[in-house]
Amino acid sequence: AQSVTQLDSQVPVFEEAPVELRCNYSSSVSVYLFWYVQYPNQGLQLLLKYLSGSTLVESINGFEAEFNKSQTSFHLRKPSVHISDTAEYFCAVSVTGNQFYFGTGTSLTVIP
Amino acid sequence: KAGVTQTPRYLIKTRGQQVTLSCSPISGHRSVSWYQQTPGQGLQFLFEYFSETQRNKGNFPGRFSGRQFSNSRSEMNVSTLELGDSALYLCASSTPGLAHKEQFFGPGTRLTVL
Repeated sequence: AQSVTQLDSQVPVFEEAPVELRCNYSSSVSVYLFWYVQYPNQGLQLLLKYLSGSTLVESINGFEAEFNKSQTSFHLRKPSVHISDTAEYFCAVSVTGNQFYFGTGTSLTVIP
Repeated sequence: KAGVTQTPRYLIKTRGQQVTLSCSPISGHRSVSWYQQTPGQGLQFLFEYFSETQRNKGNFPGRFSGRQFSNSRSEMNVSTLELGDSALYLCASSTPGLAHKEQFFGPGTRLTVL
C-alpha cells in the first residue's frame, strides 16, 4: 500500500511571506500526485496535479509544486501568501485504478 | 454542471443506531468513492464503486457498507454506530476512462454520534 506523509500538521505564516508545505510518498512505481485544498465547512478542491511531463506544476492562484522522483517528494510552495490561503491542504497519491491515498493534511494559517 | 451533492449535510445519531448517507455524483461520472475524515487522521478511504460494483475497499469493519445505483448515485450505510464513527464523510466522483483522474468532492456529511 502507498503512504503519504505530510511532515507539518500546522504551518503559521505571516501574510505576504513565502510558504512551503511538505509532502513525501512511498512508492517504487510511477505515481500520480495531487494537492487538494479544503476551506472550512467545504469539501476538497483540486489545487494542482502531476501526471507526467514537466516536474514543476502550477495552479491558477500562485501555488506551485515540484515532483522530485529521487526524493519521492511533492512539496507545495507559494512565494507570497494571502489571508484567503488559510485552509487545510492535502497531498494525495494515485498509482492504479481509482484509489487515492491522502496525507493527514497541513493546516495553513496566514497571519495578518 | 452541478457538482457532487451529499445529503444530509449534518446528522446526529446515538450509539447503536444505523445511518445512511447519500451521494449524487456529477452527471456522467460513474465512479464514486467514499472517505472518512477525522482530525489528525486525514482522509481514509472507505470504498469505491464503479458501474454498481464495488471496485476497491479500504480497511474498515463490515459495519461500513455501500452500494451504487444504476444512475450512479451512491449510498453508504454504517450500522451499530460507535462514538468513533463521528467524522466528516466525503464522497468523490470521477469520470470513466483513464486512471489517475481527478476526483471531485462533495461538501460532506458531518456525522456526530452521541
